[in-house]
Amino acid sequence: DTAVSQTPKYLVTQMGNDKSIKCEQNLGHDTMYWYKQDSKKFLKIMFSYNNKELIINETVPNRFSPKSPDKAHLNLHINSLELGDSAVYFCASSQRQGTVEQFFGPGTRLTVL
Amino acid sequence: RKEVEQDPGPFNVPEGATVAFNCTYSNSASQSFFWYRQDCRKEPKLLMSVYSSGNEDGRFTAQLNRASQYISLLIRDSKLSDSATYLCVANAGGTSYGKLTFGQGTILTVHP
Repeated sequence: DTAVSQTPKYLVTQMGNDKSIKCEQNLGHDTMYWYKQDSKKFLKIMFSYNNKELIINETVPNRFSPKSPDKAHLNLHINSLELGDSAVYFCASSQRQGTVEQFFGPGTRLTVL
Repeated sequence: RKEVEQDPGPFNVPEGATVAFNCTYSNSASQSFFWYRQDCRKEPKLLMSVYSSGNEDGRFTAQLNRASQYISLLIRDSKLSDSATYLCVANAGGTSYGKLTFGQGTILTVHP
């Protein structure tokens, strides 16, 4: 069974569209994260939720809105997609806030045309 | 200056070689440090934690020098399967504890 899963794995869309990426973890972890890995391979944190509560919100355009319906799910909705949003988006989870081993999902490769 | 800086490489070494990666961090409040490994087009996975006293896990040795804000990873007797990108990671302290900052990664290719 996949510990951290994301859908879709690939997403190709036009500029200006709105899209969502879903993430689920079956590890029973309290904390979940969204990261963006750009073409230069830098992996940067975007958001973190602990028990459905937002705890980390980096400088991310407000076109990006995370939603955590329960502690096993953290979805990412992106409005008005731009070319610069093209990247790989990774979801991750950790046992609790401050636990440093984070388990990553397989990534969603987003291409904005 | 980036918070965590690594030599991006690539490092191309033959099987059996010893290779060392270096990393520096700028936030002196960072509390803990790690090496993650990322295979091509895959997700990052924790390789090992880094302690001030130095720690070893099989062929891998990690070292932390807090005074110089410097972290290293040594791989002995390289295997083909060690080919990957190695990410140096710092864990922020204080209220940001748990926020990981990743370096851009060092690419390692081990060839026969």
